[in-house]
Amino acid sequence: GAGVSQTPSNKVTEKGKYVELRCDPISGHTALYWYRQSLGQGPEFLIYFQGTGAADDSGLPNDRFFAVRPEGSVSTLKIQRTERGDSAVYLCASSRPGTGGTDTQYFGPGTRLTVL
Amino acid sequence: AQKITQTQPGMFVQEKEAVTLDCTYDTSDQSYGLFWYKQPSSGEMIFLIYQGSYDEQNATEGRYSLNFQKARKSANLVISASQLGDSAMYFCAMILTDSSYKLIFGSGTRLLVRP
Repeated sequence: GAGVSQTPSNKVTEKGKYVELRCDPISGHTALYWYRQSLGQGPEFLIYFQGTGAADDSGLPNDRFFAVRPEGSVSTLKIQRTERGDSAVYLCASSRPGTGGTDTQYFGPGTRLTVL
Repeated sequence: AQKITQTQPGMFVQEKEAVTLDCTYDTSDQSYGLFWYKQPSSGEMIFLIYQGSYDEQNATEGRYSLNFQKARKSANLVISASQLGDSAMYFCAMILTDSSYKLIFGSGTRLLVRP
């Protein structure tokens, strides 16, 4: 079946602008995760959704970052007043229903965000 | 604090030989899971193998095996019969199964397979 998809694949924006990154999880996966990967580093957790609600948003760096998942499927990561330090690859992952602890997270191809 | 350490920034291996990528982890939790992911230059993270903290046998998936040494807190990935397509970044990650669902990643190891 189809994997996790993310759009756009690349986004270039100017400092101070607003951006939205979209993630479409694997069909039937109720858990959805956002990670951020800076150049030369491993991904870092941002936020986790179980269904429509954000179960853990402890990784969001500040209040400029916000994510929604209104119908429990597609999620949008929103970044306000972008800064050059926000430049990174934003990865989305999903996992199947269950306790979540050991369910494998399957990743999308990522969105490369560049803030000029 | 929970942490994953990958001490090899880069590794070379000759095609058809085996290679071991090191991973050590730090946690005081008793229930956790360890993952290895491959990230080719295309950027997508590809799941390779999983080991649970209570699993008594080392996990294997085709040419991939995980050398799990709980007392040493290590979870090394062994790739047998390396292929040119194995050239990529490899990330070790941990999940705490009783308290969180987030993956904690190491800094990765870049593997280059020589023909």
